[in-house]
Amino acid sequence: DTGVSQDPRHKITKRGQNVTFRCDPISEHNRLYWYRQTLGQGPEFLTYFQNEAQLEKSRLLSDRFSAERPKGSFSTLEIQRTEQGDSAMYLCASSLDGRGTGELFFGEGSRLTVL
Amino acid sequence: DQQVKQNSPSLSVQEGRISILNCDYTNSMFDYFLWYKKYPAEGPTFLISISSIKDKNEDGRFTVFLNKSAKHLSLHIVPSQPGDSAVYFCAASAGGGSQGNLIFGKGTKLSVKP
Repeated sequence: DTGVSQDPRHKITKRGQNVTFRCDPISEHNRLYWYRQTLGQGPEFLTYFQNEAQLEKSRLLSDRFSAERPKGSFSTLEIQRTEQGDSAMYLCASSLDGRGTGELFFGEGSRLTVL
Repeated sequence: DQQVKQNSPSLSVQEGRISILNCDYTNSMFDYFLWYKKYPAEGPTFLISISSIKDKNEDGRFTVFLNKSAKHLSLHIVPSQPGDSAVYFCAASAGGGSQGNLIFGKGTKLSVKP
């Protein structure tokens, strides 16, 4: 399978715990994005990387959230001291810079439930 | 304030007929628009896009129309098939298609009945 893969697919945690999601993009893609989607809403942009550089962060990304892409390949999104409002689907996407179509390739998402 | 609006949460169409999904935007800086389709338990998949320098883009059964003066775009699916039943998201960006910060609407759930 050469698509974007995300792990875990589902995570249930208690409020106050830390969680980490992993994303493996399509191998030749140099851009990687994180979005969040809650029920009844469209995906909301969180942050994106070009290679290992984090180029843009949304105001939605509070200081409890941190994303890394240390070697320009896979990425992790960590949420510290989770709150019930963090419950959402976390979507990762990748693209090839310069392609010009604006097309992002999304993974199936990691669903977080905070109890 | 929502910059990309899809005012119809759902749409039901008979198989073989035309499906028209609408999207309005408020930010005049948007210059690239995309439609994504999403099935349950899957991530969104890209369907079709259009640059602001065009007013129409066609790909098989799918056509996107852009009316810049009205800040309105629409997706036409002809003929509609049951497999088209999904949630459709309109998205926009201000980066000419090269930026990742896409702004999505809330989606329209399309049901195509046999």
